[in-house]
Amino acid sequence: QVQLVESGGGVVQPGGSLRLSCAASGFTFSTYGMDWVRQAPGKGLEWVAFIRYDGNDKHYADSVKGRFTISRDNSKNTLYLQMNSLRLEDTAVYYCAAAATDAFDIWGQGTMVTVSS
Amino acid sequence: SYELTQPLSVSVALGQTARITCGGNNIGSKNVHWYQQKAGQAPVLVIYRDSSRPSGIPERFSGSNSGNTATLTISRAQAGDEADYYCQVWDSSAYVFGTGTKVTVL
Repeated sequence: QVQLVESGGGVVQPGGSLRLSCAASGFTFSTYGMDWVRQAPGKGLEWVAFIRYDGNDKHYADSVKGRFTISRDNSKNTLYLQMNSLRLEDTAVYYCAAAATDAFDIWGQGTMVTVSS
Repeated sequence: SYELTQPLSVSVALGQTARITCGGNNIGSKNVHWYQQKAGQAPVLVIYRDSSRPSGIPERFSGSNSGNTATLTISRAQAGDEADYYCQVWDSSAYVFGTGTKVTVL
């Protein structure tokens, strides 16, 4: 069935790094734009980053620009988010989402990232 | 940066109609998408491009968009519709989510 499964979350100290992965199955991954969206505890949704279906166009939220890098490997049906210089305010559940057009049709269940000293 | 404003909460009696607004500058010129998020779950797309429903979403969910306000309407509200709802647009090379509305079915 259509599925996105995130992994790589955990606890990290401020200033540390973490790499999230999102494995796709059940649909043609290479034809979908992909995004990362996060949700801090008790808060709303915040878009983080976008990558075009072929990887040749990327966009980032101002809050993560210069610290986070989105990438994908279409041969492995996998999306990544490299997070560097992590801050306390980056603590959130991170979701990956797939967009056939400009709406997020498919969502993963999320992976928790906690930045704490 | 572009901002989308939603009411914090909306209450609706069982079987009645709930309307959730999403305010933004000239939002009528943009494609608006709506997501439902139940407690402890990932969001689900319920309306895309202002008024289209994805496969599997009940006809009770409908959307409109004009001027400075987009609206998600839930007709014949059911207990299972209790959730947080978010609007979303694409603006200036960034996605923007609304502030979110908690819908309570009484």
